[in-house]
Amino acid sequence: DIQMTQSPASLSVSVGETVTITCRASENIYSNLAWYQQKQGKSPQLLVYAATNLADGVPSRFSGSGSGTQYSLKINSLQSEDFGSYYCQHFWGTPPTFGGGTKLEIK
Amino acid sequence: EVQLQQSGPELVKPGASVKISCKTSGYTFTEYTMHWVKQSHGKSLEWIGGINPNNGGTSYNQKFKGKATLTVDKSSSTAYMELRSLTSEDSAVYYCALTTVVYFDYWGQGTTLTVSS
Repeated sequence: DIQMTQSPASLSVSVGETVTITCRASENIYSNLAWYQQKQGKSPQLLVYAATNLADGVPSRFSGSGSGTQYSLKINSLQSEDFGSYYCQHFWGTPPTFGGGTKLEIK
Repeated sequence: EVQLQQSGPELVKPGASVKISCKTSGYTFTEYTMHWVKQSHGKSLEWIGGINPNNGGTSYNQKFKGKATLTVDKSSSTAYMELRSLTSEDSAVYYCALTTVVYFDYWGQGTTLTVSS
C-alpha cells in the first residue's frame, strides 16, 4: 500500500495568516491526489483534486501544488471558516489511502 | 442536487453484525461507484471498499475483507455496508462517499457505530 505522510499534525494560526500543509507519498502518485477539509462533527468535503484543481465552490485562497511524491495545500489569508482538519488522499491504485490529517486551530 | 442520507447511529454488542444504509438521490444511482470510509474517533480516514451499483462489482481494502460486505438495492437507490463479528475496534464513524470521476465528490453525513456490551 502507498503510505501518505502528512505534516504538520497540528497547527495553531491566526486569522489572516498563510499556512502550508504538506503530504508525502511513499512512491510516485503522478498527481493523483486530493485534499479534503473536515469540520468538527461533519463529513469531509473535497477541496482540491488532481493535486492542483479546486473543487466547485472552493475559494481561490486555497491552492494545491506538487508532483511525484511531494504535495502541498496552501491557504492564503486564513478565514475563521477555514479552521478544522485537512486530509490528503492518493488515487494511484488501491487502496486509496489518506494522510494522517492536519488539525488547524485558532491561535 | 446529489444527496447521500445515511442511517442513524447504532449501538450493538460484540460479536454481532450491523448493516448501515446510504440512500441516494439527485443522480442516476447506477452511474457512479459508491465507497465506504471508516473514521475512528479522533483519527484519520480509511477506505473500506467500493461497489459499482450497475453490476454489483466490488473492491475491498485487504484490511476489511471478511469484515465488510458491500451491496446495493437498485430499486431504492440505496447502498449498504454490513459489518460482522464486531469488536470495540469497529467502533467508529462510517461514511458513504460517491465518486463521479475519480475523487470522493460527495459524502454522506456519517453513521456512528458503537460496539459495547
